[in-house]
Amino acid sequence: QQQVKQSPQSLIVQKGGISIINCAYENTAFDYFPWYQQFPGKGPALLIAIRPDVSEKKEGRFTISFNKSAKQFSLHIMDSQPGDSATYFCAARRTGSARQLTFGSGTQLTVLP
Amino acid sequence: DGGITQSPKYLFRKEGQNVTLSCEQNLNHDAMYWYRQDPGQGLRLIYYSQIVNDFQKGDIAEGYSVSREKKESFPLTVTSAQKNPTAFYLCAGAENSNQPQHFGDGTRLSIL
Repeated sequence: QQQVKQSPQSLIVQKGGISIINCAYENTAFDYFPWYQQFPGKGPALLIAIRPDVSEKKEGRFTISFNKSAKQFSLHIMDSQPGDSATYFCAARRTGSARQLTFGSGTQLTVLP
Repeated sequence: DGGITQSPKYLFRKEGQNVTLSCEQNLNHDAMYWYRQDPGQGLRLIYYSQIVNDFQKGDIAEGYSVSREKKESFPLTVTSAQKNPTAFYLCAGAENSNQPQHFGDGTRLSIL
């Protein structure tokens, strides 16, 4: 059962444009929402994360927007660069002792030069 | 260099054989995790360990086994009972279960 739904599956953006990736969750028992960036043949790397008591977090060109009532959060990449071309995963961490991460299905971003 | 080290990067095995994937870390992390990644899907949790000598099943543990005899090591065995073992396997570690997880570079397993 997929508890974190991610869209779109793939995204093509021109250099300098804004990339937007959306995630929605179905279970309210999550307390931490990280985004990971993965290049081919590599493991995912933590990009940015947010807690549900904050509506927005910005780190450089990357911003997470969080809407607790709608159970949605999104990643915005400003001034997208060809080097940003990668697969992006959203995730949600469950509450409780185990604190497991549930991942979205991923978005393959291509930034055209 | 510190980090999560997975080996080998590519692994080929015949159908019906058990195979063990290595995951080592020198970050003094208490928590370690194994995920499976299939094309077009997110990462799915196989097993996790929050402390030495203890581990728990994740969402897709059937056909897999783990051990955590040392803090630094969390090997994953893909047994012959796993119906579709061909996948990209990722190991992660965290200082504890409340801290962010950091991943190794994965092992791609192919069953011939």
